[in-house]
Amino acid sequence: KNEVEQSPQNLTAQEGEFITINCSYSVGISALHWLQQHPGGGIVSLFMLSSGKKKHGRLIATINIQEKHSSLHITASHPRDSAVYICAVWPIIQGAQKLVFGQGTRLTINP
Amino acid sequence: IAGITQAPTSQILAAGRRMTLRCTQDMRHNAMYWYRQDLGLGLRLIHYSNTAGTTGKGEVPDGYSVSRANTDDFPLTLASAVPSQTSVYFCASSVLAGFSTGELFFGEGSRLTVL
Repeated sequence: KNEVEQSPQNLTAQEGEFITINCSYSVGISALHWLQQHPGGGIVSLFMLSSGKKKHGRLIATINIQEKHSSLHITASHPRDSAVYICAVWPIIQGAQKLVFGQGTRLTINP
Repeated sequence: IAGITQAPTSQILAAGRRMTLRCTQDMRHNAMYWYRQDLGLGLRLIHYSNTAGTTGKGEVPDGYSVSRANTDDFPLTLASAVPSQTSVYFCASSVLAGFSTGELFFGEGSRLTVL
């Protein structure tokens, strides 16, 4: 079992729909990152969370430390939101140098 | 320069040749990282540096070396390229390493093909 599991792996929706991508992890963490990667493109950091909720434009990220779970929400989705969304966690392990990445969720928004 | 710059963006290389991927950041970040991204395997850490003058091995370091002579630059060298090193390489940085990493910044990636 991977330490970081994302669901769904693939998601196709119509423009305007509310999107939720989930991330569950099995280790204690100090921070969780949500990243976005457009096809053939670079990687952009969307959020870094250690507790609670953050909002940036149409994107909302939440984290529940006790349940070891985070969600990324997109409101009023648009075709330009089509990308791979990656969850990554920094484990609370002495000397940890390695972010642990989920496998990503491929999101396609159709017009 | 704004953020992280990688070069080259794309390269085709004959097996056995030496190749250096360059990475420069202008944010005065202490920590820098090199990842490779392969289909189905996600992002894997090759090497990292917590601060200038120090480096460490990630999960897939074999065949790669790095140096961190100053804060801004973190080149990745393939001493003798092999086809299994065909991948997309991403350089990243953060203010600090470890628990208080802060936001991650990624370069645009370097697509390397080894024939």
